[in-house]
Amino acid sequence: DVKVTQSSRYLVKRTGEKVFLECVQDMDHENMFWYRQDPGLGLRLIYFSYDVKMKEKGDIPEGYSVSREKKERFSLILESASTNQTSMYLCASSFLNSNSPLHFGNGTRLTVT
Amino acid sequence: GQQLNQSPQSMFIQEGEDVSMNCTSSSIFNTWLWYKQDPGEGPVLLIALYKAGELTSNGRLTAQFGITRKDSFLNISASIPSDVGIYFCAGQGGSNYKLTFGKGTLLTVNP
Repeated sequence: DVKVTQSSRYLVKRTGEKVFLECVQDMDHENMFWYRQDPGLGLRLIYFSYDVKMKEKGDIPEGYSVSREKKERFSLILESASTNQTSMYLCASSFLNSNSPLHFGNGTRLTVT
Repeated sequence: GQQLNQSPQSMFIQEGEDVSMNCTSSSIFNTWLWYKQDPGEGPVLLIALYKAGELTSNGRLTAQFGITRKDSFLNISASIPSDVGIYFCAGQGGSNYKLTFGKGTLLTVNP
């Protein structure tokens, strides 16, 4: 079974803090993704990576950056957290094959106060 | 960008009833996926469809890839309380790894 593990289920941070969300997958997937999920807006892609040290912007990259130093790990960074970044963050991974389905982690619910 | 219309937005049904939900798109997709999300959890893949016209079952779930490649439906037969959750469709097109997601169908099953 594919395992995508997000390091925290719940996080509470203050405005202006630097926040790291970590994701690890154990299936040797090339692709990794970060989404945020908000009521009424569905899932929106923030960034994705198709190889180590490679990254591409998704639909809403502003205010975020990412790091992929190892194949199995993909980190989402909020340089200076703001209250509008309060959300559920979902990591996903898949094989490079464009037909390979995404497998999601359990999510990190981030609250910025 | 690509848009997916998923309907209905929500459903309230009695245990034992059958359920049907669908997604339509203005664009052609090469792959259709259906996910279920329980409260506070990440989406879990239910069914993946790779060919136009394909009909695939997974237990009480059946999904079809529309012949025009612009739509897909998911049926759940004989619903049970643990079917409660949000069901998402997602389409994948061409060589792009990115998925386009529907907004989800919230299913409530009354025992």
